[in-house]
Amino acid sequence: AQKITQTQPGMFVQEKEAVTLDCTYDTSDPSYGLFWYKQPSSGEMIFLIYQGSYDQQNATEGRYSLNFQKARKSANLVISASQLGDSAMYFCAMRNFGNEKLTFGTGTRLTIIP
Amino acid sequence: DTAVSQTPKYLVTQMGNDKSIKCEQNLGHDTMYWYKQDSKKFLKIMFSYNNKELIINETVPNRFSPKSPDKAHLNLHINSLELGDSAVYFCASSQREGQETQYFGPGTRLLVL
Repeated sequence: AQKITQTQPGMFVQEKEAVTLDCTYDTSDPSYGLFWYKQPSSGEMIFLIYQGSYDQQNATEGRYSLNFQKARKSANLVISASQLGDSAMYFCAMRNFGNEKLTFGTGTRLTIIP
Repeated sequence: DTAVSQTPKYLVTQMGNDKSIKCEQNLGHDTMYWYKQDSKKFLKIMFSYNNKELIINETVPNRFSPKSPDKAHLNLHINSLELGDSAVYFCASSQREGQETQYFGPGTRLLVL
């Protein structure tokens, strides 16, 4: 079984600061993918970034980067130079290879303070 | 161009009614999904279809029946709606192979009165 844990229900960060959202996972499968999604107050789910379990380098997409520590089973999302528009719920998710099922964490509500 | 679209966006109905939510994707993906997001924002998969074939059927009441007329469409029909069915329902799609990303529709907010 796969499990995702996000221990920060809410975070407040000053605008322009960097922020790290925590995510740990548990799976017995050696092949898996990790995903982060953003859900703004308007409700849509926006894909941000992906990390494969065999990827040698941490994934980056613009201001988003994924701090992947395989031995610790953590996949933290780092947002650099935060902006007001980054205020949203952020979900970590994982999927084992060959399995269509995407398992989500409980989410972190990020609020950027001007 | 909307990649994954759902209709309606909002659905308010009485207990006991039957309702459908439609989903279409224009990404050429093979696999489509339905997820339910409850009032605490927890997202859980309900169904997955690959090329019109049911792949995943989580523990969902029989009142929920997905239908895939073709690989670009996956509709969700709900019979005898109950108060606990109130939630946001998301459709998503992806390629099946590898670890392809799932792209989500805008969600349908269902309120059962």
